[in-house]
Amino acid sequence: DAGVTQSPTHLIKTRGQQVTLRCSPKSGHDTVSWYQQALGQGPQFIFQYYEEEERQRGNFPDRFSGHQFPNYSSELNVNALLLGDSALYLCASSLYPGVYEQYFGPGTRLTVT
Amino acid sequence: EDKVVQSPLSLVVHEGDTVTLNCSYEVTNFRSLLWYKQEKKAPTFLFMLTSSGIEKKSGRLSSILDKKELFSILNITATQTGDSAVYLCAVVANAGGTSYGKLTFGQGTILTVHP
Repeated sequence: DAGVTQSPTHLIKTRGQQVTLRCSPKSGHDTVSWYQQALGQGPQFIFQYYEEEERQRGNFPDRFSGHQFPNYSSELNVNALLLGDSALYLCASSLYPGVYEQYFGPGTRLTVT
Repeated sequence: EDKVVQSPLSLVVHEGDTVTLNCSYEVTNFRSLLWYKQEKKAPTFLFMLTSSGIEKKSGRLSSILDKKELFSILNITATQTGDSAVYLCAVVANAGGTSYGKLTFGQGTILTVHP
């Protein structure tokens, strides 16, 4: 049973560039959430996708956007990268939005220089 | 704004010790509290608690929720070096009338178990 997968594992970008991170949910899950985890902090909720729509959003600027595909996989896009965007980006999936138990992927480590 | 606070921030113990990790919360319309263990990258699910006073157990780990005092504890007995990790507490709230499962995390407790 495949768990949550994310790509790439690591990424180095320059300030002002754009980045796309990818996530495939656990088999049977149709809801994907994205979190940002800065060093030494707990993960912070970015947004959640269900039925290809953004259902809930955390306190992140519009530079952060996403997409969900018909196969339930998801992308996180960040435009105009800032040094402060350097973090571990985690994707989590759940059976459907009302199920709170979320399963996390290994994350993408983004470094902005 | 929803708030989750964990204590202590870090803890160093020796194998065989028992540890208690704390999580307190201030949220609107609490739904559930979850505990995760994060070793390298991916947080792995430990427990979900929704009702007060009901202990959840898994091997040497146990957890309980107090909805009156707004806190939860995670106990680990007979600790092993493999228990070394960051333990994260997260709360699901229903502030906006929806329950889409947004997790609000605490900053985590770093547990180090020495042989």
